[in-house]
Amino acid sequence: GQQLNQSPQSMFIQEGEDVSMNCTSSSIFNTWLWYKQDPGEGPVLLIALYKAGELTSNGRLTAQFGITRKDSFLNISASIPSDVGIYFCAGKAAGNKLTFGGGTRVLVKP
Amino acid sequence: SQTIHQWPATLVQPVGSPLSLECTVEGTSNPNLYWYRQAAGRGLQLLFYSVGIGQISSEVPQNLSASRPQDRQFILSSKKLLLSDSGFYLCALELDRGLYGYTFGSGTRLTVV
Repeated sequence: GQQLNQSPQSMFIQEGEDVSMNCTSSSIFNTWLWYKQDPGEGPVLLIALYKAGELTSNGRLTAQFGITRKDSFLNISASIPSDVGIYFCAGKAAGNKLTFGGGTRVLVKP
Repeated sequence: SQTIHQWPATLVQPVGSPLSLECTVEGTSNPNLYWYRQAAGRGLQLLFYSVGIGQISSEVPQNLSASRPQDRQFILSSKKLLLSDSGFYLCALELDRGLYGYTFGSGTRLTVV
């Protein structure tokens, strides 16, 4: 079946830093989605991408749909403490269920 | 607009007790509905999905079952809970054939003791 590899599994951020994470797939997707989950809450959709090469921003967040349709990345610019949480990528091929990556846990540097 | 409700928010149950978690949706009809489980700080494991009343597909063999008695109601159950059933359970709603992904409920934190 389809698999999504999301990396890194976790990262520490310092306020003001830019961070990035990515997902790669063993198969082609028609849609890429990025979610954020705050502690004790359900994931919330951040960005949806529908076309290869598409670059979309939502505030300080920018995500891209890879040209090969097998990968996507998410950048967070000028990180702030409330950016902590778990970020999930998800991919969808036509007629299929969403496939989720394993998540990237974003933590604040002590 | 479409909304999804889950309850209870937290639950502590003894081993061997039954379980019933409820998920209801508003503002839409005939949605696809999903139950996910998430271990602490981990990824999302798909447990069940339903494309309509009485239609349930199971993704992994387990101690749990699901039912969809009404179009906008999706229930996760167990007859006898195990310690390994502890986790964060999320219900999700799919709209527009997944064009905008899934909308998740706020989750239920289940601790089996």
